[in-house]
Amino acid sequence: DAGITQSPRHKVTETGTPVTLRCHQTENHRYMYWYRQDPGHGLRLIHYSYGVKDTDKGEVSDGYSVSRSKTEDFLLTLESATSSQTSVYFCAIRGRDPGNTIYFGEGSWLTVV
Amino acid sequence: LAKTTQPISMDSYEGQEVNITCSHNNIATNDYITWYQQFPSQGPRFIIQGYKTKVTNEVASLFIPADRKSSTLSLPRVSLSDTAVYYCLVGSDSGNTPLVFGKGTRLSVIA
Repeated sequence: DAGITQSPRHKVTETGTPVTLRCHQTENHRYMYWYRQDPGHGLRLIHYSYGVKDTDKGEVSDGYSVSRSKTEDFLLTLESATSSQTSVYFCAIRGRDPGNTIYFGEGSWLTVV
Repeated sequence: LAKTTQPISMDSYEGQEVNITCSHNNIATNDYITWYQQFPSQGPRFIIQGYKTKVTNEVASLFIPADRKSSTLSLPRVSLSDTAVYYCLVGSDSGNTPLVFGKGTRLSVIA
């Protein structure tokens, strides 16, 4: 599992409230990613980071922001949650091998009611 | 980043060999081909990776033709527990390039 921990694992929140998901890694990997997964859509990249304070948008970044103030933590924030953001969110890191193997966390299930 | 194309779904009976092909016409010289397996309610996990020719491990084999524009994941004698979604990803140590997954292939193994 490459030392990846996601929190919370499950959360129910109300529409309009802010939500922050945390991804913590223990192996000093430079690259970190946030994906969401919904039925029929596969894995979609939200944001990614290539270093402390270095982040960029992915395929579906609207409504999300991220922060990486230290190497081990990559935070995903929904400023004002909407029902369309009900999903399972996966954090991932990129390995140091030549093929850039991706290692995923266990996922965070978010329900916006 | 090379875009990949895979079949959306496949069905197989237990005990059969399953071959899933991924097309990646724009693969770059330094790119590796990696396959992932995802079970429901879990994150994808690494199965196998290769650069050229054939790679085999305890789980699967990966066949890559000389032109590297496609690859085939081979699962020998599948069982019900191999029912999952399989993703093909092509990439290399290419700096800050984002890693985008396709929709994968949903394999259903039938008893």
